[in-house]
Amino acid sequence: KQEVTQIPAALSVPEGENLVLNCSFTDSAIYNLQWFRQDPGKGLTSLLLIQSSQREQTSGRLNASLDKSSGRSTLYIAASQPGDSATYLCAVIGANSKLTFGKGITLSVRP
Amino acid sequence: ETGVTQSPTHLIKTRGQQVTLRCSSQSGHNTVSWYQQALGQGPQFIFQYYREEENGRGNFPPRFSGLQFPNYSSELNVNALELDDSALYLCASSPRGRGVRETQYFGPGTRLLVL
Repeated sequence: KQEVTQIPAALSVPEGENLVLNCSFTDSAIYNLQWFRQDPGKGLTSLLLIQSSQREQTSGRLNASLDKSSGRSTLYIAASQPGDSATYLCAVIGANSKLTFGKGITLSVRP
Repeated sequence: ETGVTQSPTHLIKTRGQQVTLRCSSQSGHNTVSWYQQALGQGPQFIFQYYREEENGRGNFPPRFSGLQFPNYSSELNVNALELDDSALYLCASSPRGRGVRETQYFGPGTRLLVL
């Protein structure tokens, strides 16, 4: 059974700091890994999708990496801003097309 | 291009009642998945519909059922509501015709409270 872990559960950083969010998964037989952002009480916004054959993806200030063999992914956020405050979830997709999510990391960026 | 929409946005029910939640998939998407997100948890997969047929189910009891219509919109039905069914219910659509590697696009969710 696939399990996805995100540690720590919460993070508080000052504005401008570069930061790394970690995600680990137990079964390396994945098709892709997706990072999402969730604002309080809202739905999920897809940030980056990394297919299993890729090592990383970049979008603006965000960079996500994937190491399938070690079961790890990181989301790097450059020059953090208060508007980046949200919960960040990673999810892996396997052969049955379902997403398995971690519990998320709640990020607070202090002005 | 219209995104994924869900209705209603909020709902309050009492234990034992039945509820129907609705989802309209993004234009061009033929696959809809439903997820349950309890407070402080990641979303949990309920089931997926592809071209009107169930295509995978998570660890949820039979009182959770669904439908997909010819226009690819979908319903989630929950019978005999329990207090633990209180959660945010999320719908996601994707163009599965291109394989499982596609991004899933999520709607804003329906917040269900069972009293």
